[in-house]
Amino acid sequence: DARVTQTPRHKVTEMGQEVTMRCQPILGHNTVFWYRQTMMQGLELLAYFRNRAPLDDSGMPKDRFSAEMPDATLATLKIQPSEPRDSAVYFCASGSGTSLPGELFFGEGSRLTVL
Amino acid sequence: ILNVEQSPQSLHVQEGDSTNFTCSFPSSNFYALHWYRWETAKSPEALFVMTLNGDEKKKGRISATLNTKEGYSYLYIKGSQPEDSATYLCAAHGSSNTGKLIFGQGTTLQVKP
Repeated sequence: DARVTQTPRHKVTEMGQEVTMRCQPILGHNTVFWYRQTMMQGLELLAYFRNRAPLDDSGMPKDRFSAEMPDATLATLKIQPSEPRDSAVYFCASGSGTSLPGELFFGEGSRLTVL
Repeated sequence: ILNVEQSPQSLHVQEGDSTNFTCSFPSSNFYALHWYRWETAKSPEALFVMTLNGDEKKKGRISATLNTKEGYSYLYIKGSQPEDSATYLCAAHGSSNTGKLIFGQGTTLQVKP
């Protein structure tokens, strides 16, 4: 049963610490999205990759957030240094398509709490 | 900027009622419209992906229509059941090459037995 896998599922850390969230997309999918669930903005797009190339990260605070896709089976989202306002659930989703992705398949999310 | 809006924000209905909600998006630069169902403590799951004006898709008691010229989509649920309680998200792709998928805020449906 193919699914998107995210780790860690839960992370509690202190302000100023580095946090790395990982995502394993469904095998064969060529697009990966990172979203953040917030009360105010619902699902907020942070970054988007197609064929491992970053296409859009305009929604991501550049000073502390970075997203990479070192290979086709791994996408990472890093926050350094973390701040309490980063507390949220971070979702990774993958899809396939030659130009634009079809339906997205979401992971279970990584719940981050920054104290 | 692709702005996707959904209404109403929340909805409470009785079991057996039929209901519908709206997703609005810019009619220019449109490529595709997605609907997702998001149950509490789970992940969003895709219901429909639509691209053509006049498209109508159906899955069981749930159906959706698309009007790309005026920039809206409707999601209908016929004979709501308690298990339909969830947040329903729509998301739109612009036609640019970046293809980013922007979500609306969602409509939260509560179906009372």
